[in-house]
Amino acid sequence: DTAVSQTPKYLVTQMGNDKSIKCEQNLGHDTMYWYKQDSKKFLKIMFSYNNKELIINETVPNRFSPKSPDKAHLNLHINSLELGDSAVYFCASSQGLPGLSDTQYFGPGTRLTVL
Amino acid sequence: DQQVKQNSPSLSVQEGRISILNCDYTNSMFDYFLWYKKYPAEGPTFLISISSIKDKNEDGRFTVFLNKSAKHLSLHIVPSQPGDSAVYFCAASALSGGGADGLTFGKGTHLIIQP
Repeated sequence: DTAVSQTPKYLVTQMGNDKSIKCEQNLGHDTMYWYKQDSKKFLKIMFSYNNKELIINETVPNRFSPKSPDKAHLNLHINSLELGDSAVYFCASSQGLPGLSDTQYFGPGTRLTVL
Repeated sequence: DQQVKQNSPSLSVQEGRISILNCDYTNSMFDYFLWYKKYPAEGPTFLISISSIKDKNEDGRFTVFLNKSAKHLSLHIVPSQPGDSAVYFCAASALSGGGADGLTFGKGTHLIIQP
């Protein structure tokens, strides 16, 4: 009955590989997000989708491509992984659009390590 | 450019005493503030929020105070309990501006409750 789930929880891969992280929410929310927590512990928003439409796209390398097959899923695909991509990636969801006072519910995070 | 700052990386408080976590912000467009709590290996969970039209919001043992002129907010936990040991993130959003940038997080403060 997990509200926001991510897979995998840990991902270790070589530089140059392509990998995906999956996110699913069963809360019936309309908006989903991807955040990156870097080595300095900052949680920074990367993308946000509302009803499968991209509404936030921060300055992120275009090697990162979110894909939302339906409003319950927002997957993150990363091409040509680099050492600096190593971080913890959090998925989140909220009922309304970003900027509304709706609580965001976070997944457990995916720790990506690029060797 | 840190728009949301939590200057204390860690804070140690004795059980039963008051814990005070501080947060400063620089963006005057922020008008909605939240506190999230995060346990190791889990995603952040929403704790309490406050709109800029208020200067205080209370929920059980948790109270958030907002000083708009100082661009400062604080989270008070009283009495502190061992289960409160976690990392606390301050987050802010600009609702009146559409909030299209989602949430901006501080780096977090690790609260340790001593028995």
